[in-house]
Amino acid sequence: DTGVSQDPRHKITKRGQNVTFRCDPISEHNRLYWYRQTLGQGPEFLTYFQNEAQLEKSRLLSDRFSAERPKGSFSTLEIQRTEQGDSAMYLCASSPGTHEAEQYFGPGTRLTVT
Amino acid sequence: AQSVTQLDSHVSVSEGTPVLLRCNYSSSYSPSLFWYVQHPNKGLQLLLKYTSAATLVKGINGFEAEFKKSETSFHLTKPSAHMSDAAEYFCVVYTLYSGAGSYQLTFGKGTKLSVIP
Repeated sequence: DTGVSQDPRHKITKRGQNVTFRCDPISEHNRLYWYRQTLGQGPEFLTYFQNEAQLEKSRLLSDRFSAERPKGSFSTLEIQRTEQGDSAMYLCASSPGTHEAEQYFGPGTRLTVT
Repeated sequence: AQSVTQLDSHVSVSEGTPVLLRCNYSSSYSPSLFWYVQHPNKGLQLLLKYTSAATLVKGINGFEAEFKKSETSFHLTKPSAHMSDAAEYFCVVYTLYSGAGSYQLTFGKGTKLSVIP
């Protein structure tokens, strides 16, 4: 299967700990996106990359959040000093440059902060 | 600014009956509109998209949607529901701000579709 993959699928952590999630996009896609989805809500945009460049960040992305895509392939999303409010599903998506909004989503990483 | 309103948080239909999931949008520009489906423990999947071509858009699995600019609506329909259609559906509005080179993509809150055997 050459779809978008995310790792881990589930993460339980204690408040104050750091966590890192990984996303592997579809190989020929140069755009990669991160979203956060809480219960009963649609996904909310966090940030996106074109190749290795981070082009846009949402106001939701506090300074505890950082994302990288060092070689324009996989991406990581790190949350430092986690808070209970960070508990959510973190979704990654990718798209080819010519179809900007036809995004292909991964299964998500569910984060629970205790 | 743009927004998406999915008018029903939960819709329940019997198998074999029509499906209607309602979506209204607001955008200052000419948006593109999408419907995504999310099955439990699976990623979001694109059902169909409207990008200023034909106003009646056909998607996968027998779904279609009609873009009505005068009503700012993009309702999703299917003539006959199948058990496998039970999932959560998201209406999405997308606007590319070509001058700024940026975009905004906004999801609705979702409509959970239940299909009764």
